[in-house]
Amino acid sequence: EPEVTQTPSHQVTQMGQEVILRCVPISNHLYFYWYRQILGQKVEFLVSFYNNEISEKSEIFDDQFSVERPDGSNFTLKIRSTKLEDSAMYFCASTPERVSETQYFGPGTRLLVL
Amino acid sequence: GESVGLHLPTLSVQEGDNSIINCAYSNSASDYFIWYKQESGKGPQFIIDIRSNMDKRQGQRVTVLLNKTVKHLSLQIAATQPGDSAVYFCAEKGSGGYQKVTFGTGTKLQVIP
Repeated sequence: EPEVTQTPSHQVTQMGQEVILRCVPISNHLYFYWYRQILGQKVEFLVSFYNNEISEKSEIFDDQFSVERPDGSNFTLKIRSTKLEDSAMYFCASTPERVSETQYFGPGTRLLVL
Repeated sequence: GESVGLHLPTLSVQEGDNSIINCAYSNSASDYFIWYKQESGKGPQFIIDIRSNMDKRQGQRVTVLLNKTVKHLSLQIAATQPGDSAVYFCAEKGSGGYQKVTFGTGTKLQVIP
């Protein structure tokens, strides 16, 4: 069964450094998302992406964040200057088509900012 | 504020018993609800969904009930197994494939062997 994959599984970085989290959505999916989950808390929406544009973003997704789909398979989340509070699990998700409701989540990248 | 929330943070159930996990929502305009299961160190896994024009939907060993009058939904797991131990989130989503999922805070289900 096709799956959303994410790399790396774990990332440790120094405060102020840039990180890029990578996702490979399920092939032929059209809508892509990033969520984050701070330890012990609920999953929070960051951004949705469709047709090479951001469809919606939350207030968490400030100017330090950006997303990109550089080729036909990868979907990336960049944090330009990481802060301690960016430490969280970051999940990528994708949806196959407009009428489909189910979002398929990847296994996540655990980001630790020191 | 939150549009979905759960009643209990932790639920302990004996193996073989049925589990019921409850969730309340506040937005009466919500029309699509999802239950996700999250095992430790993994991403949310879709379990079952229900639209607001339904009050019950069944899957394999799982049933979701929706009471729009009191804005409440529940997830019932029949014959709970150790593999069911996880955090369960109810979530709502707007219509359309592009809409974000809004998660509740989660209930941790512990299955006692």
